[in-house]
Amino acid sequence: QLVLTQSPSASASLGASVKLTCTLSSGHSSYAIAWHQQQPEKGPRYLMKLNSDGSHSKGDGIPDRFSGSSSGAERYLTISSLQSEDEADYYCQTWGTGIPHVVFGGGTKLTVL
Amino acid sequence: QVQLVESGGGVVQPGGSLRLSCAASGFTFSSYGMHWVRQAPGKGLEWVAFIRYDGSNKYYADSVKGRFTISRDNSKNTLYLQMNSLRAEDTAVYYCAKDHVGGATTYPDYWGQGTLVTVSS
Repeated sequence: QLVLTQSPSASASLGASVKLTCTLSSGHSSYAIAWHQQQPEKGPRYLMKLNSDGSHSKGDGIPDRFSGSSSGAERYLTISSLQSEDEADYYCQTWGTGIPHVVFGGGTKLTVL
Repeated sequence: QVQLVESGGGVVQPGGSLRLSCAASGFTFSSYGMHWVRQAPGKGLEWVAFIRYDGSNKYYADSVKGRFTISRDNSKNTLYLQMNSLRAEDTAVYYCAKDHVGGATTYPDYWGQGTLVTVSS
């Protein structure tokens, strides 16, 4: 079954970099994913689509500080030069032709120290 | 710019019904698939339903299949979610989201701000 696994929490210092991980379930390592950001008390915001080869396409207005990469079944979101507004929940999401058609990871809560 | 504005949330008793609406603007609504995604209090995102750009295909999460119906009116640029036989576990903020393409589920590339549905006696 198509499942995405994320660590529940991460933290990094203001101005530093952080790398968040999303792991695809066995047999699904070729799948593309999308990353979404949800700041406190706000609706989600699409960040980027990330392919298995590491190529990615970002949403409108997403800063260059946000980048994506891939290795095997793992998909990464790297945020550099962390700012206070980057403190948010980050969700990975994927899709398939079977059931379920759309899957979200459990989310990672990023704390900026 | 793309705007998605949900409405219709509120408090409803278990077993009751509610219809959510999502008014879309800033893009050609009739060309894109649309999603409903929900978030229970303090929990993560859960995909609920998807409808193809022309309404010809609809997909549902197992948790709502047979109780919820997604639909759209392309002449009014509006997406709907009819929710019947509501349960306490349906309590959540419901978001409408635009898919990146029209004919299949891929990923949301724009999201609304959400509307809160509370199922309680």
